[in-house]
Amino acid sequence: EADIYQTPRYLVIGTGKKITLECSQTMGHDKMYWYQQDPGMELHLIHYSYGVNSTEKGDLSSESTVSRIRTEHFPLTLESARPSHTSQYLCASTQIGNSPLHFGNGTRLTVT
Amino acid sequence: AQKITQTQPGMFVQEKEAVTLDCTYDTSDQSYGLFWYKQPSSGEMIFLIYQGSYDEQNATEGRYSLNFQKARKSANLVISASQLGDSAMYFCAMREGQGSNYKLTFGKGTLLTVNP
Repeated sequence: EADIYQTPRYLVIGTGKKITLECSQTMGHDKMYWYQQDPGMELHLIHYSYGVNSTEKGDLSSESTVSRIRTEHFPLTLESARPSHTSQYLCASTQIGNSPLHFGNGTRLTVT
Repeated sequence: AQKITQTQPGMFVQEKEAVTLDCTYDTSDQSYGLFWYKQPSSGEMIFLIYQGSYDEQNATEGRYSLNFQKARKSANLVISASQLGDSAMYFCAMREGQGSNYKLTFGKGTLLTVNP
């Protein structure tokens, strides 16, 4: 039973297109995160938010941008997709320090 | 420097046997948390077990236990009675600090294969 939803699950798109990856959670969590993961590799934090109108860049530099206008919604946007953006993008949320991150099922992006 | 080190890129284990996945960490914080996640080939991240730096006892969750050795800065995952469905990537992760600052740093992962 998923409490954090990511759409689309898979996306194949051409170079130069603008895309938005959606992430929504129904748990009322303040903290939300975007991780980027290449196949079989570690997760890299690219964006995070501790609440509405709060966004920060993560440890890995990314050309993507995020917004947090509502608590439950944390979309990620690429203005001009490139083949180097091909990866899996995982959204996660949590509320308090000892709680684990709850992850969505991820979006597998392929830019041709 | 790597904050989370998983030195085993791949591990093999026979069904019904126990397996230990290694994880060492590096932090100067007194308060931190350690997590293990499982990632099947389908890609989702499944939380397995958590150990807080002040917890005196090793965490256990069903067939999963965490061998926490604070002085050695290690937090190894032990899976008992391996099942075919345990075949997956396993990631160790660390949360540093406390309060509102909450970011997880992940290791490179270990690919576990359970043989019948």
